[in-house]
Amino acid sequence: GQSLEQPSEVTAVEGAIVQINCTYQTSGFYGLSWYQQHDGGAPTFLSYNALDGLEETGRFSSFLSRSDSYGYLLLQELQMKDSASYFCAVRDGQGGKLIFGQGTELSVKP
Amino acid sequence: GAVVSQHPSRVICKSGTSVKIECRSLDFQATTMFWYRQFPKKSLMLMATSNEGSKATYEQGVEKDKFLINHASLTLSTLTVTSAHPEDSSFYICSAEISGGRVGGYTFGSGTRLTVV
Repeated sequence: GQSLEQPSEVTAVEGAIVQINCTYQTSGFYGLSWYQQHDGGAPTFLSYNALDGLEETGRFSSFLSRSDSYGYLLLQELQMKDSASYFCAVRDGQGGKLIFGQGTELSVKP
Repeated sequence: GAVVSQHPSRVICKSGTSVKIECRSLDFQATTMFWYRQFPKKSLMLMATSNEGSKATYEQGVEKDKFLINHASLTLSTLTVTSAHPEDSSFYICSAEISGGRVGGYTFGSGTRLTVV
């Protein structure tokens, strides 16, 4: 089966940098992705890593180390609007379904 | 592009009645749609995978007779919660893989908040 672990909550101040870690255990690996979800809203896709290394998309970057079964999401120049839940997810190769971690609630303070 | 439209956004129903939730892919064809359930402050739990023209695949522990899934066309998948009870109150979200461009990404409907009274 698949399981993912990430911290339940993180707090940071505006303008800071925050890193949200994710470790996973999978029977097969087809990439690690990250989603943002605001209260009451739907998840929105942020980033995806299939290979080791860093992927940068504006203020958000995501890193993957397949040998360590580990990845992280890096958020720079934090803004109040970044307060949300962030989920890491792995794709189950059988049918392509996404399995989500428990989510990290990020609170950005002024 | 790659938008999934989900309706209704909110629904309140009486215990024992059925509720249908629709998800339409607006600008692409979704041969596969995934249905999730989410409790407050919790993760998204996959309920089932619907495939156009065939029976849905349910995750372990999900009652297929209670959560009826139909995927009759390449652009429409529906989830019907039958004989709803208060414990079925939850946030239901559909999802499809984004085709072309955003590698590895999935697009989600806006979700349906179901309250059973």
